[in-house]
Amino acid sequence: DAGITQSPRYKITETGRQVTLMCHQTWSHSYMFWYRQDLGHGLRLIYYSAAADITDKGEVPDGYVVSRSKTENFPLTLESATRSQTSVYFCASCSGGVPGELFFGEGSRLTVL
Amino acid sequence: TQLLEQSPQFLSIQEGENLTVYCNSSSVFSSLQWYRQEPGEGPVLLVTVVTGGEVKKLKRLTFQFGDARKDSSLHITAAQPGDTGLYLCAGARGGFQKLVFGTGTRLLVSP
Repeated sequence: DAGITQSPRYKITETGRQVTLMCHQTWSHSYMFWYRQDLGHGLRLIYYSAAADITDKGEVPDGYVVSRSKTENFPLTLESATRSQTSVYFCASCSGGVPGELFFGEGSRLTVL
Repeated sequence: TQLLEQSPQFLSIQEGENLTVYCNSSSVFSSLQWYRQEPGEGPVLLVTVVTGGEVKKLKRLTFQFGDARKDSSLHITAAQPGDTGLYLCAGARGGFQKLVFGTGTRLLVSP
């Protein structure tokens, strides 16, 4: 089925380890986003991408790396995980428009011990 | 700094009651969206408002964008248990690429 999928859905890791969260969409949407959701903060934008090989920082990019070699994939990497990065991460995509509708994945719950 | 503040943060009501959720900011937004999120899922778009003073209705839900485009409200008439969820407002400043989300209002509607 078409849609946007995230993996893994749940991940427990230790401080200092590298973690990659995957995001795949089948709509060929140009825009893709990574948000983190924490109590009291709502959703905060980490990085976004307007097209393959084009990425830009959001509100809270420190400690994260993204890449987009293919339109359908937008992985998010925590190079050296910290406890403050324990959160629920959401990937989203959008075809465009002003404003466009964001389609979200089901989220990846990450716990850093 | 949270650009969009929602109130109340939590709301627990009985089926059939009416309620209003507010989304306020000191900043002007070119458009504003409302999303609903259910446990274990990502947010889903309910509505987009783009003109100051605009009112949109979606069945029992009424959305309003403030005249100055700094605030918005969501009114639910005769709430039902199926309305339970986390309601998020999101404002766009210029392009949507940096959509700013509100702090969220968690609604529980009991039968």
